[in-house]
Amino acid sequence: QKEVEQNSGPLSVPEGAIASLNCTYSDRVSQSFFWYRQYSGKSPELIMSIYSNGDKEDGRFTAQLNKASQYVSLLIRDSQPSDSATYLCAPKGKYGNKLVFGAGTILRVKS
Amino acid sequence: KAGVTQTPRYLIKTRGQQVTLSCSPISGHRSVSWYQQTPGQGLQFLFEYFSETQRNKGNFPGRFSGRQFSNSRSEMNVSTLELGDSALYLCASSLGDGNYNEQFFGPGTRLTVL
Repeated sequence: QKEVEQNSGPLSVPEGAIASLNCTYSDRVSQSFFWYRQYSGKSPELIMSIYSNGDKEDGRFTAQLNKASQYVSLLIRDSQPSDSATYLCAPKGKYGNKLVFGAGTILRVKS
Repeated sequence: KAGVTQTPRYLIKTRGQQVTLSCSPISGHRSVSWYQQTPGQGLQFLFEYFSETQRNKGNFPGRFSGRQFSNSRSEMNVSTLELGDSALYLCASSLGDGNYNEQFFGPGTRLTVL
């Protein structure tokens, strides 16, 4: 079992729709969870962080965390073509700053 | 505030050579982590330095090493390069200790081994 699992996609959604990206992780001691967006040929860009169970909203982005189910998700409302990228889920363990990345989900927003 | 900088941005080396990559974190950040990204393996953690000490190490051979200086700048070194070391090497900067530190990536160094 991989430490972090994400559907590789591509996930295709029409412009203006809600994109839902999911991630499960195996390390129960993970304390913090991060979502990064990576455009082709670029480095990852931090878009959301979440530490407590429940929802966290920031603009068009909502992160959801359920530690009991070891599940974290990212919702993108009113998806735009500029949201087309690979989205990486990364839990952080209890010690230090090591991030364990999933393989990423490719999102394509069609105009 | 300036972001994370990495130099050089591109490198071409031949098998057997060694290479040194540099990373300057965001001002005030004391933790630097290094990652390798390849199409086949994705983003993998190499090591983390905090206050000049290696705090975490990933599952990479001893050919991969690093260090951090008193000004928090970090370097990583790869000796005896292999074709499989061709990758994007990313460094990430974080404020320091604690469970809720966010990490910010630099633009990366693209290494090609011929």
